[in-house]
This record gives sequence, C-alpha cells and structure tokens, in this order.
Amino acid sequence: GENVGLHLPTLSVQEGDNSIINCAYSNSASDYFIWYKQESGKGPQFIIDIRSNMDKRQGQRVTVLLNKTVKHLSLQIAATQPGDSAVYFCAENGGYALNFGKGTSLLVTP
Amino acid sequence: DGGITQSPKYLFRKEGQNVTLSCEQNLNHDAMYWYRQDPGQGLRLIYYSQIVNDFQKGDIAEGYSVSREKKESFPLTVTSAQKNPTAFYLCASSIAVRAAEEKLFFGSGTQLSVL
Repeated sequence: GENVGLHLPTLSVQEGDNSIINCAYSNSASDYFIWYKQESGKGPQFIIDIRSNMDKRQGQRVTVLLNKTVKHLSLQIAATQPGDSAVYFCAENGGYALNFGKGTSLLVTP
Repeated sequence: DGGITQSPKYLFRKEGQNVTLSCEQNLNHDAMYWYRQDPGQGLRLIYYSQIVNDFQKGDIAEGYSVSREKKESFPLTVTSAQKNPTAFYLCASSIAVRAAEEKLFFGSGTQLSVL
C-alpha cells in the first residue's frame, strides 16, 4: 500500500530554537495532509492541516509546507518550548481514512 | 465539555477472553474510527464507521469486531482470535462522511495488556 514516512525518528532541539520535522509521502493522489502531536499516554492532538491546492499554511507558532513535486511535507515550530516535546505524526488521506506515518519524537532541551 | 471518551484507561485480558473497549462521542460526528498503536509505530486502522448501523474493515481488522448502533457510540471488541492484542487503542471521530478529507478528533486511548 501507500506509505507515509518520516525522515528522522528523533529530533533534539534547544529551547528557543526553531524545529523542522519532515515527512515524505508516496501517494501522488493525496490531496489532504495533517499534522498531529501526541504526548506520552495520550491521544493525538490536531496541530495543522493543509490541502493540496496550497503550499504553505501558518498557525500559531507552526507552519506547514507542502512540496507536491517531491512529495514532501514539513512542520516548522518557531521558538520551540519544553511543552512541545512529544511525538509528531503526519498523515495523508488514504482513500477512506487518514493514513499515518510512524512519527518523529521531538525532545526540547533547556 | 464536548469530546471523545474512551474507557477504561487500562485493560487486562486473559488468554481466550474477549474484551470490549468503549468509545463515546458527543460531537455529533457521523464518522468514527478505531486505530491500534504499537510502541514506536504509527497508527493502523482497525475499523471505521461512516454512519450508524454501517461499518467497514480497515487494514488490520482480523481478531476485532465493532458495532455502531448509536451515533454516539462505537465499541471495539478484541476477540480471542487476536493473538497479539497488547497495544494502545485509539478511537477517533470526524464530522464528514468523506472522512479521508477531514481532521480526526481522538480520545485519550486505552492501553490493553495480556495477563
């Protein structure tokens, strides 16, 4: 089947720095993408989404970039805070439900 | 508070036993889902339901069963046929019938372990 994958399984950043989490997808027909944050022992929380007719979307301290040419998605977090430490998942529409990648663990160090 | 409630938080299953995980939502969403999450893994779809009294198998439905008798409720039964049930189970819902184009709202999960 189609895969949604992540380039880096873990990412360590210093507090205050910007974080970039990357995601590759293989289904060129996907037209909806979404990022979730999951803290340990909790359910995923919605961060931001983007449709394929856009290449950039901004939220509060977060930006999602979509490059359809190379089938790449990224999540940028500005001024990373300790509370941002979590696992981040990208997902794409998989026909009848969202198809999730394996996640990147973000660790924010003081 | 509107949201999705999963219970119990922790559940233990004995060999040969069926167990049922509860999922209730008061968001008035049509679509509901069950995902399984193993350590260090992404979420894999078990079952989904786009409307009451209808549900479909996801990618890993073997050993599981569901029902959707009410819009608010989508319980998942882990049967004895599921030989490796230990995992974190997540229930989710979304507004639209065309669920693949809408964000999911997740519950807080149930950790199932085998005794």
